[in-house]
Amino acid sequence: KAGVTQTPRYLIKTRGQQVTLSCSPISGHRSVSWYQQTPGQGLQFLFEYFSETQRNKGNFPGRFSGRQFSNSRSEMNVSTLELGDSALYLCASSSARAGGTTDTQYFGPGTRLTVL
Amino acid sequence: ILNVEQSPQSLHVQEGDSTNFTCSFPSSNFYALHWYRWETAKSPEALFVMTLNGDEKKKGRISATLNTKEGYSYLYIKGSQPEDSATYLCALLPPRGAGGTSYGKLTFGQGTILTVHP
Repeated sequence: KAGVTQTPRYLIKTRGQQVTLSCSPISGHRSVSWYQQTPGQGLQFLFEYFSETQRNKGNFPGRFSGRQFSNSRSEMNVSTLELGDSALYLCASSSARAGGTTDTQYFGPGTRLTVL
Repeated sequence: ILNVEQSPQSLHVQEGDSTNFTCSFPSSNFYALHWYRWETAKSPEALFVMTLNGDEKKKGRISATLNTKEGYSYLYIKGSQPEDSATYLCALLPPRGAGGTSYGKLTFGQGTILTVHP
């Protein structure tokens, strides 16, 4: 079974631009979560989608948004990029069979975003 | 803000040593605890999901215990090998809040960086 894939793996943008990152979950998984990892803050939860609906959101500004498609693939978008948005963005998928509570989350390799 | 703390921050051991590290969390805010291993340049790999007080899980030479009443979990590695070198992360899933959910909302600790020297 193929794992979680994320594209692109690396991205360089300048301040003020916007960016879209993509995540393809493991086949059959309907839940996709997004996390941001920075050296100072560690891994922080951005949002979670299930069946095209955002079920949960972390404490990030409205510049961070996401969506999920009917095939469970998910995208996240960051508008008006700031230097502090430079980070590794990870997505994780789960089957959500246990209602999204104790399901194992399987992580992708991440997208490394650098904002200049 | 949920606080998940891991100690130590980093650990250097010799091949063959057994080691353990701690994940602490507020006992009042517990629903499930996840452990992950994250090797450099790879994806975080799920080790365990623990939910019940007194839970003990094992995967090869790695095991974990959970005490929800006092708010901690221990991860043990028996006979460490160089390939065990990685960052070990724990993550807490809190109970569902009023009108809300905790779906997918893992709160991670800062991790313990383990280096096993041959």
